[in-house]
Amino acid sequence: NAGVTQTPKFRVLKTGQSMTLLCAQDMNHEYMYWYRQDPGMGLRLIHYSVGEGTTAKGEVPDGYNVSRLKKQNFLLGLESAAPSQTSVYFCASSYSGRGTDTQYFGPGTRLTVL
Amino acid sequence: KNEVEQSPQNLTAQEGEFITINCSYSVGISALHWLQQHPGGGIVSLFMLSSGKKKHGRLIATINIQEKHSSLHITASHPRDSAVYICAVGGGSNYKLTFGKGTLLTVNP
Repeated sequence: NAGVTQTPKFRVLKTGQSMTLLCAQDMNHEYMYWYRQDPGMGLRLIHYSVGEGTTAKGEVPDGYNVSRLKKQNFLLGLESAAPSQTSVYFCASSYSGRGTDTQYFGPGTRLTVL
Repeated sequence: KNEVEQSPQNLTAQEGEFITINCSYSVGISALHWLQQHPGGGIVSLFMLSSGKKKHGRLIATINIQEKHSSLHITASHPRDSAVYICAVGGGSNYKLTFGKGTLLTVNP
């Protein structure tokens, strides 16, 4: 039981390049989330999904796209990376999505955009 | 939108000391979460509270719903407790959590 995994762990991009971050969970959770973590700021929600085939915008969605074609996977795409997207990205999942529900986090992806 | 404030932002302690980290929020919630993040590491959930108090080993979390305040206590602190501790609140059926900025705890031997 691996929990929530993320690939890659580290990536360096040049401005304008594109990439996809992959999140996978093996807990059969309905809800999945992508966050970014920046120094001096709390975790901020980028996009989330309440089930297979569904996605929705979070607090800071601009410059990102997501897809959830399979229940266990949630992909985060950067079409044209910008230095402002340098951050640590965390994926999380939860069973029901209620505020009382525990979110399980992946190990994070450290992205640098030059 | 719920505002979540943590204090202190940074805390340095000597091994064995009793540690308290505070979290205040502005709007009524259904639950409050305490999370731990070791340097360069992932984020793990420590507690979920909707009322009262919970204890796990040397960690104790309390919440006062009326005061909109929670505390995380660590007894007999140890260098391995050095981490960022994050408070997050969730409200009702809203599946979005609002996170505090975190408290960086350093415990020196």
